[in-house]
Amino acid sequence: GESVGLHLPTLSVQEGDNSIINCAYSNSASDYFIWYKQESGKGPQFIIDIRSNMDKRQGQRVTVLLNKTVKHLSLQIAATQPGDSAVYFCAESPNSGGSNYKLTFGKGTLLTVNP
Amino acid sequence: DAGITQSPRHKVTETGTPVTLRCHQTENHRYMYWYRQDPGHGLRLIHYSYGVKDTDKGEVSDGYSVSRSKTEDFLLTLESATSSQTSVYFCAILGRGNTGELFFGEGSRLTVL
Repeated sequence: GESVGLHLPTLSVQEGDNSIINCAYSNSASDYFIWYKQESGKGPQFIIDIRSNMDKRQGQRVTVLLNKTVKHLSLQIAATQPGDSAVYFCAESPNSGGSNYKLTFGKGTLLTVNP
Repeated sequence: DAGITQSPRHKVTETGTPVTLRCHQTENHRYMYWYRQDPGHGLRLIHYSYGVKDTDKGEVSDGYSVSRSKTEDFLLTLESATSSQTSVYFCAILGRGNTGELFFGEGSRLTVL
Protein backbone atom coordinates (compact mmCIF):
# COMPACT_ATOMS: atom_id res chain seq x y z
CA GLY A 1 0.00 0.00 0.00
CA GLU A 2 0.93 3.69 -0.13
CA SER A 3 3.10 5.14 2.62
CA VAL A 4 1.12 8.07 3.93
CA GLY A 5 2.84 9.06 7.15
CA LEU A 6 6.36 8.25 8.22
CA HIS A 7 6.41 11.14 10.69
CA LEU A 8 2.88 11.17 11.98
CA PRO A 9 1.72 11.52 15.55
CA THR A 10 0.72 8.03 16.60
CA LEU A 11 -1.81 6.59 18.98
CA SER A 12 -1.71 2.96 20.02
CA VAL A 13 -4.69 1.43 21.85
CA GLN A 14 -5.93 -1.98 22.89
CA GLU A 15 -8.91 -3.49 21.13
CA GLY A 16 -12.07 -2.56 22.99
CA ASP A 17 -10.67 0.63 24.50
CA ASN A 18 -11.92 4.07 23.56
CA SER A 19 -9.69 6.23 21.36
CA ILE A 20 -9.40 9.99 21.29
CA ILE A 21 -7.69 11.69 18.37
CA ASN A 22 -7.02 15.40 18.62
CA CYS A 23 -6.66 18.17 16.07
CA ALA A 24 -5.78 21.83 16.47
CA TYR A 25 -6.84 24.20 13.73
CA SER A 26 -5.56 27.67 13.08
CA ASN A 27 -8.24 29.50 11.11
CA SER A 28 -10.71 31.14 13.47
CA ALA A 29 -12.97 31.76 10.46
CA SER A 30 -13.43 28.03 9.84
CA ASP A 31 -17.07 27.14 9.95
CA TYR A 32 -17.14 23.50 9.00
CA PHE A 33 -15.05 20.52 10.04
CA ILE A 34 -14.74 16.95 8.86
CA TRP A 35 -12.90 13.86 10.06
CA TYR A 36 -11.54 11.45 7.48
CA LYS A 37 -10.12 7.96 7.81
CA GLN A 38 -7.46 6.68 5.43
CA GLU A 39 -6.49 3.04 5.26
CA SER A 40 -3.23 1.97 3.71
CA GLY A 41 -3.33 2.17 -0.08
CA LYS A 42 -6.70 3.89 -0.25
CA GLY A 43 -8.13 7.35 -0.52
CA PRO A 44 -9.53 9.14 2.55
CA GLN A 45 -13.08 8.30 3.57
CA PHE A 46 -15.57 10.54 5.37
CA ILE A 47 -16.33 9.68 8.99
CA ILE A 48 -18.27 12.55 10.48
CA ASP A 49 -18.69 16.31 10.16
CA ILE A 50 -19.68 19.20 12.40
CA ARG A 51 -20.57 22.83 11.86
CA SER A 52 -19.31 25.63 14.05
CA ASN A 53 -22.73 26.25 15.60
CA MET A 54 -22.43 22.88 17.33
CA ASP A 55 -19.99 21.61 19.93
CA LYS A 56 -20.75 17.91 19.72
CA ARG A 57 -22.03 15.48 17.16
CA GLN A 58 -22.43 11.72 17.42
CA GLY A 59 -22.39 9.01 14.83
CA GLN A 60 -22.12 5.27 14.99
CA ARG A 61 -19.35 4.59 17.55
CA VAL A 62 -17.83 8.01 16.83
CA THR A 63 -18.25 11.42 18.43
CA VAL A 64 -16.75 14.69 17.31
CA LEU A 65 -16.20 17.50 19.80
CA LEU A 66 -15.52 21.07 18.78
CA ASN A 67 -14.06 23.72 21.08
CA LYS A 68 -13.99 26.98 19.14
CA THR A 69 -12.51 28.92 22.03
CA VAL A 70 -9.22 27.06 21.80
CA LYS A 71 -9.65 25.97 18.17
CA HIS A 72 -9.58 22.29 18.98
CA LEU A 73 -11.36 19.36 17.45
CA SER A 74 -11.40 15.78 18.69
CA LEU A 75 -12.64 12.46 17.40
CA GLN A 76 -13.67 9.83 19.91
CA ILE A 77 -14.01 6.23 18.79
CA ALA A 78 -15.83 3.91 21.17
CA ALA A 79 -14.82 0.27 21.58
CA THR A 80 -11.98 0.53 19.11
CA GLN A 81 -11.63 -2.41 16.73
CA PRO A 82 -8.68 -3.64 14.63
CA GLY A 83 -10.51 -2.35 11.54
CA ASP A 84 -10.20 1.16 12.97
CA SER A 85 -6.43 1.08 12.44
CA ALA A 86 -5.74 3.85 9.93
CA VAL A 87 -4.56 7.43 9.57
CA TYR A 88 -7.14 9.97 10.70
CA PHE A 89 -7.28 13.50 9.30
CA CYS A 90 -9.22 16.51 10.41
CA ALA A 91 -10.19 19.02 7.73
CA GLU A 92 -11.66 22.51 7.91
CA SER A 93 -13.38 25.01 5.64
CA PRO A 94 -14.78 28.51 6.04
CA ASN A 95 -18.07 27.21 4.64
CA SER A 96 -19.82 23.92 4.03
CA GLY A 97 -20.43 24.29 0.34
CA GLY A 98 -21.12 26.75 -2.44
CA SER A 99 -18.69 28.58 -4.65
CA ASN A 100 -15.02 28.44 -3.83
CA TYR A 101 -15.52 25.50 -1.48
CA LYS A 102 -12.30 23.76 -0.47
CA LEU A 103 -11.07 21.73 2.48
CA THR A 104 -7.77 22.25 4.30
CA PHE A 105 -6.43 19.09 5.90
CA GLY A 106 -4.36 18.54 9.01
CA LYS A 107 -1.29 16.33 8.95
CA GLY A 108 -2.98 13.25 10.34
CA THR A 109 -2.68 10.82 13.25
CA LEU A 110 -1.86 7.15 12.88
CA LEU A 111 -4.10 4.95 15.02
CA THR A 112 -2.91 1.42 15.72
CA VAL A 113 -5.27 -1.01 17.44
CA ASN A 114 -3.61 -3.93 19.20
CA PRO A 115 -5.60 -7.17 19.48
CA ASP B 1 -18.36 4.94 -4.35
CA ALA B 2 -18.73 8.25 -6.21
CA GLY B 3 -17.61 6.81 -9.54
CA ILE B 4 -14.12 8.33 -9.48
CA THR B 5 -11.36 6.77 -11.53
CA GLN B 6 -7.78 7.96 -11.52
CA SER B 7 -5.23 7.03 -14.16
CA PRO B 8 -2.54 6.01 -14.20
CA ARG B 9 -2.44 4.51 -10.72
CA HIS B 10 1.34 4.25 -10.79
CA LYS B 11 3.89 6.06 -12.91
CA VAL B 12 7.66 6.39 -12.90
CA THR B 13 9.13 9.14 -14.99
CA GLU B 14 12.31 11.14 -15.37
CA THR B 15 13.01 14.72 -14.39
CA GLY B 16 12.01 17.17 -17.08
CA THR B 17 9.37 15.03 -18.74
CA PRO B 18 5.72 16.08 -18.95
CA VAL B 19 3.16 14.05 -17.02
CA THR B 20 -0.62 14.14 -17.10
CA LEU B 21 -2.85 12.51 -14.51
CA ARG B 22 -6.49 12.00 -15.30
CA CYS B 23 -9.47 12.04 -12.98
CA HIS B 24 -12.72 10.74 -14.41
CA GLN B 25 -16.12 10.84 -12.71
CA THR B 26 -19.38 9.41 -13.90
CA GLU B 27 -21.94 11.25 -11.79
CA ASN B 28 -21.88 14.78 -13.19
CA HIS B 29 -20.44 16.45 -10.08
CA ARG B 30 -19.59 20.08 -10.49
CA TYR B 31 -16.63 20.44 -8.12
CA MET B 32 -13.41 18.48 -8.60
CA TYR B 33 -10.10 18.70 -6.75
CA TRP B 34 -6.49 17.59 -7.00
CA TYR B 35 -4.54 17.03 -3.77
CA ARG B 36 -1.07 15.71 -3.20
CA GLN B 37 -0.12 13.69 -0.14
CA ASP B 38 3.37 13.57 1.32
CA PRO B 39 4.76 12.25 4.61
CA GLY B 40 4.56 14.93 7.27
CA HIS B 41 2.35 17.22 5.18
CA GLY B 42 -1.00 15.50 4.99
CA LEU B 43 -3.13 16.39 1.98
CA ARG B 44 -2.46 19.68 0.25
CA LEU B 45 -4.69 21.22 -2.40
CA ILE B 46 -3.07 21.78 -5.79
CA HIS B 47 -5.94 23.02 -7.96
CA TYR B 48 -9.67 22.71 -8.03
CA SER B 49 -12.48 23.20 -10.52
CA TYR B 50 -15.98 24.55 -9.97
CA GLY B 51 -17.23 23.85 -13.47
CA VAL B 52 -16.21 23.27 -17.07
CA LYS B 53 -13.31 25.60 -17.88
CA ASP B 54 -13.52 27.10 -14.35
CA THR B 55 -10.48 26.34 -12.23
CA ASP B 56 -8.56 27.96 -9.40
CA LYS B 57 -5.29 27.48 -7.56
CA GLY B 58 -4.80 25.76 -4.26
CA GLU B 59 -1.97 26.15 -1.78
CA VAL B 60 0.69 24.23 -3.75
CA SER B 61 -0.10 25.04 -7.39
CA ASP B 62 3.40 25.98 -8.60
CA GLY B 63 4.60 23.58 -11.28
CA TYR B 64 1.13 22.25 -11.99
CA SER B 65 -1.62 23.13 -14.44
CA VAL B 66 -5.12 21.73 -14.83
CA SER B 67 -7.81 21.56 -17.45
CA ARG B 68 -11.51 20.77 -17.34
CA SER B 69 -12.89 20.71 -20.87
CA LYS B 70 -15.84 18.51 -19.92
CA THR B 71 -17.65 17.79 -16.68
CA GLU B 72 -16.41 14.25 -16.25
CA ASP B 73 -12.66 14.80 -16.67
CA PHE B 74 -10.21 16.87 -14.63
CA LEU B 75 -6.62 16.65 -15.82
CA LEU B 76 -3.53 17.52 -13.80
CA THR B 77 -0.39 18.27 -15.80
CA LEU B 78 3.20 18.57 -14.69
CA GLU B 79 4.80 20.39 -17.63
CA SER B 80 8.32 19.43 -16.58
CA ALA B 81 8.38 17.00 -13.69
CA THR B 82 10.82 17.49 -10.82
CA SER B 83 11.85 15.13 -8.03
CA SER B 84 9.95 17.30 -5.53
CA GLN B 85 6.76 16.32 -7.32
CA THR B 86 7.22 12.68 -6.36
CA SER B 87 4.05 12.12 -4.38
CA VAL B 88 0.71 10.40 -4.20
CA TYR B 89 -1.95 12.41 -6.00
CA PHE B 90 -5.60 12.21 -5.06
CA CYS B 91 -8.56 13.44 -7.02
CA ALA B 92 -11.76 14.28 -5.17
CA ILE B 93 -15.26 15.41 -5.99
CA LEU B 94 -17.72 17.35 -3.84
CA GLY B 95 -20.77 15.30 -3.05
CA ARG B 96 -24.28 16.60 -3.37
CA GLY B 97 -26.53 17.38 -0.46
CA ASN B 98 -26.07 19.32 2.70
CA THR B 99 -22.57 18.29 3.64
CA GLY B 100 -19.22 19.41 2.31
CA GLU B 101 -18.01 15.85 2.03
CA LEU B 102 -15.32 15.21 -0.54
CA PHE B 103 -15.19 11.77 -2.11
CA PHE B 104 -11.68 10.67 -3.00
CA GLY B 105 -10.27 8.45 -5.69
CA GLU B 106 -7.80 5.69 -4.97
CA GLY B 107 -4.74 7.81 -5.69
CA SER B 108 -1.97 7.93 -8.29
CA ARG B 109 1.57 7.32 -7.14
CA LEU B 110 4.08 9.33 -9.17
CA THR B 111 7.82 8.83 -8.88
CA VAL B 112 10.12 11.33 -10.60
CA LEU B 113 13.69 10.06 -10.90
